[in-house]
Amino acid sequence: GENVEQHPSTLSVQEGDSAVIKCTYSDSASNYFPWYKQELGKGPQLIIDIRSNVGEKKDQRIAVTLNKTAKHFSLHITETQPEDSAVYFCAASGKDNFNKFYFGSGTKLNVKP
Amino acid sequence: DGGITQSPKYLFRKEGQNVTLSCEQNLNHDAMYWYRQDPGQGLRLIYYSQIVNDFQKGDIAEGYSVSREKKESFPLTVTSAQKNPTAFYLCASSGANYGYTFGSGTRLTVV
Repeated sequence: GENVEQHPSTLSVQEGDSAVIKCTYSDSASNYFPWYKQELGKGPQLIIDIRSNVGEKKDQRIAVTLNKTAKHFSLHITETQPEDSAVYFCAASGKDNFNKFYFGSGTKLNVKP
Repeated sequence: DGGITQSPKYLFRKEGQNVTLSCEQNLNHDAMYWYRQDPGQGLRLIYYSQIVNDFQKGDIAEGYSVSREKKESFPLTVTSAQKNPTAFYLCASSGANYGYTFGSGTRLTVV
């Protein structure tokens, strides 16, 4: 099945700096790539997603880029704030014609005030 | 408000005991999922269901069972055959727009 690798596992930045989290996937048939933010003790929440026919998508301070040839996609957070501190997961759709996702192992982002 | 509700938030299981985790959604989503989350690891798929009365095993189904008698409900039973059940369990649902909606999770601990 699909294999999704995520780096780094932990990331510490100063408030106002940018943060970048990278993921690679193995199945070239994957066509949907969501990113989730999980705060302590809560379920993950979708923050941004991208489909394989798009190279980049932005939503205020958050952006996602996709390189289909290299099979990697990245989350970019600009002007980080303490409330951005959380665990972030990337995911890729499985090759089944169905919403079955494979998740990365997560990145714990710490934004220092 | 539409959403997905998991209960209980915390659950304690004795050795050899079966326990059932509840998941209910009012989003009118067809698909529902159960994931297990261990510290330092990603989410691993236990079971999923595309329609009522049908479900498929995920990557780590051994020691777990599910049912899908109603569109709104997808309970997960952790059986005594699951040797290491202590984990955070997440239920999710999805509709036609692809994105998952997650519940707030159930933390299961073996005592």
